[in-house]
Amino acid sequence: KAGVTQTPRYLIKTRGQQVTLSCSPISGHRSVSWYQQTPGQGLQFLFEYFSETQRNKGNFPGRFSGRQFSNSRSEMNVSTLELGDSALYLCASSYGQTAGANVLTFGAGSRLTVL
Amino acid sequence: KNEVEQSPQNLTAQEGEFITINCSYSVGISALHWLQQHPGGGIVSLFMLSSGKKKHGRLIATINIQEKHSSLHITASHPRDSAVYICALTPYTGNQFYFGTGTSLTVIP
Repeated sequence: KAGVTQTPRYLIKTRGQQVTLSCSPISGHRSVSWYQQTPGQGLQFLFEYFSETQRNKGNFPGRFSGRQFSNSRSEMNVSTLELGDSALYLCASSYGQTAGANVLTFGAGSRLTVL
Repeated sequence: KNEVEQSPQNLTAQEGEFITINCSYSVGISALHWLQQHPGGGIVSLFMLSSGKKKHGRLIATINIQEKHSSLHITASHPRDSAVYICALTPYTGNQFYFGTGTSLTVIP
């Protein structure tokens, strides 16, 4: 079966712009979680969605937002981009309601560069 | 304050060696994950465990809930095991997901 698909894989933006990243989970998985990975901070949890509802949120400013659609696909948006938002953004899907309590399948990531 | 501490940070081994990566944590957990990340970024979930021990091929993961400690062992290491290994956990409260800083493993032929 198809894995977790993230688009776009690479993108370059300038400060002040906004960006939308997409994540299509494995068929049948209803939970999608998002993570940011930077060389300085490592992996950090952004938020997770289950059945179109945000279940948990990490310690990120309100510029980071997300949503989940009825087909379980998820998008995350970052507004007013800052240089420090340059990172690899990963999403993962799982079958159960809470990402941390279920086996996760990760996408390949979207690498964002902010100039 | 780091909820998850991993050691060592870097590890170089000869092919065939037995490898141990350690993860200590400070909160009560509902689950602990071991993840593998190869160069290029893709992450694979190796294990999820909340007690005891799990084995998959040459990989073994153990967890001691009382001591708040988990280990990932690789037997008969191979150059293809070269990757970053990351420990992650979900606390009892269930509303966060904490990651260790990772252990970069290089296995030399």
